[in-house]
Amino acid sequence: GQQVMQIPQYQHVQEGEDFTTYCNSSTTLSNIQWYKQRPGGHPVFLIQLVKSGEVKKQKRLTFQFGEAKKNSSLHITATQTTDVGTYFCAGPLGAGGTSYGKLTFGQGTILTVHP
Amino acid sequence: NAGVTQTPKFQVLKTGQSMTLQCAQDMNHEYMSWYRQDPGMGLRLIHYSVGAGITDQGEVPNGYNVSRSTTEDFPLRLLSAAPSQTSVYFCASSYDSPSVSYNSPLHFGNGTRLTVT
Repeated sequence: GQQVMQIPQYQHVQEGEDFTTYCNSSTTLSNIQWYKQRPGGHPVFLIQLVKSGEVKKQKRLTFQFGEAKKNSSLHITATQTTDVGTYFCAGPLGAGGTSYGKLTFGQGTILTVHP
Repeated sequence: NAGVTQTPKFQVLKTGQSMTLQCAQDMNHEYMSWYRQDPGMGLRLIHYSVGAGITDQGEVPNGYNVSRSTTEDFPLRLLSAAPSQTSVYFCASSYDSPSVSYNSPLHFGNGTRLTVT
């Protein structure tokens, strides 16, 4: 079945270091979304990538969508303690583009930032 | 707007008990869904709905029932709780996608932490 794999599962960094999480799909994705979940909180939408090779930036966060639309990455430059949390990628569940609110999530990367 | 509201926040059940997790949204979103979150497994879709009166199964539907009598409410029922259903449950809603390739973002509730002993 359709799967979205995400690595690494954990990442511990010193404040100021960079961080990257990678997402790979077994099938071509029409789009990919990224979410952040703070400890004890709920997932919060960060961004969606739609186009092949797309790169989007949000301040220190850079999101990329692969040329084949089967992989994606999130890179954080110079991490801060406010970046702590779990980062998830998610793609549409099922064939076709529109997900109707159904997403398949990667396992998530838990980021810890040491001050 | 309150967004997506889930109740209760915490619940402890004994094996075999039944209960309903409540979810309500005030954003007039067509789509609503239930996910469970387990360590190392991300979020997995249990059931979803594309509108009032329409529901369908997700990836892990066994042991759960849903109904959608109104646009606002989407309760999740555990028929006979089992320890394997110990998890954090999130309800989410989203609006109709403006195009085939774009999917509107999910808005999540604060979650229900369920323990089954």
